[in-house]
Amino acid sequence: GQQLNQSPQSMFIQEGEDVSMNCTSSSIFNTWLWYKQDPGEGPVLLIALYKAGELTSNGRLTAQFGITRKDSFLNISASIPSDVGIYFCAGQLYSGGYQKVTFGTGTKLQVIP
Amino acid sequence: NAGVTQTPKFQVLKTGQSMTLQCAQDMNHEYMSWYRQDPGMGLRLIHYSVGAGITDQGEVPNGYNVSRSTTEDFPLRLLSAAPSQTSVYFCASSYRASGELFFGEGSRLTVL
Repeated sequence: GQQLNQSPQSMFIQEGEDVSMNCTSSSIFNTWLWYKQDPGEGPVLLIALYKAGELTSNGRLTAQFGITRKDSFLNISASIPSDVGIYFCAGQLYSGGYQKVTFGTGTKLQVIP
Repeated sequence: NAGVTQTPKFQVLKTGQSMTLQCAQDMNHEYMSWYRQDPGMGLRLIHYSVGAGITDQGEVPNGYNVSRSTTEDFPLRLLSAAPSQTSVYFCASSYRASGELFFGEGSRLTVL
C-alpha cells in the first residue's frame, strides 16, 4: 500500500520558536490533510489542501500542497504550550469508489515553556 | 453535539475472549471507519464502510469483523482476542467524498 514518510518523528522546541514538519509519499494524492492529536484524544483536522501548490493558513498554522502532489509541509509560528501533541499528515486518493485516507506516522511536538 | 461516540474507553481482555467496540455518529455521515494506533506506526485502517450494508477491508483487517446495519452505528468485533491486538482504536466518520474525518476519543484495549 501507499506509504507516507513524516519527519521529524519528534521535536523539542522552546516556546515562541517556529516549527516545521513535512510529509512525503511515493504516490500522488488528490488531497493533503493535517491533523493534531492531543494526549488521550482523537485526532482533529487542522488544515485540508485540495490543489497542487495550494498554500493555506489557519491562525499560526500554514500548510502547503507540494507541486508534485507527493509532499506537503506544515509550519507553526510562535509556538505556545498548547501546541503540544502529535501531528499527523494524511493523503487522500480516490480508489475503488471511495476516498481512501492514508496517515503518516506522526510528529510528536513538545514545547518547553 | 455528540459527534462520534466510542465505547468502552478502556477494556482489558484475556487471550481468546471476544468483544465488540461500539461506534455511533450523529452527523448523518455516509463514511465510517476504524483505525488502530500503535507507537511509531501512525493510524492504520482496519475496516471501513461507505454506507449502510456496505463494508470493506482496510490495511490491517485480520482478526476483526464489522457490520453496518444503520447509518449511525459501526461496531468492531474481535472474535478471539490476541496480544497483538493490544492498541488504541479510533472510529472516524466523514461525508463520503471527503477526507475530512471526525474521530471519536478512542478505545484503549489491552489483551493479556
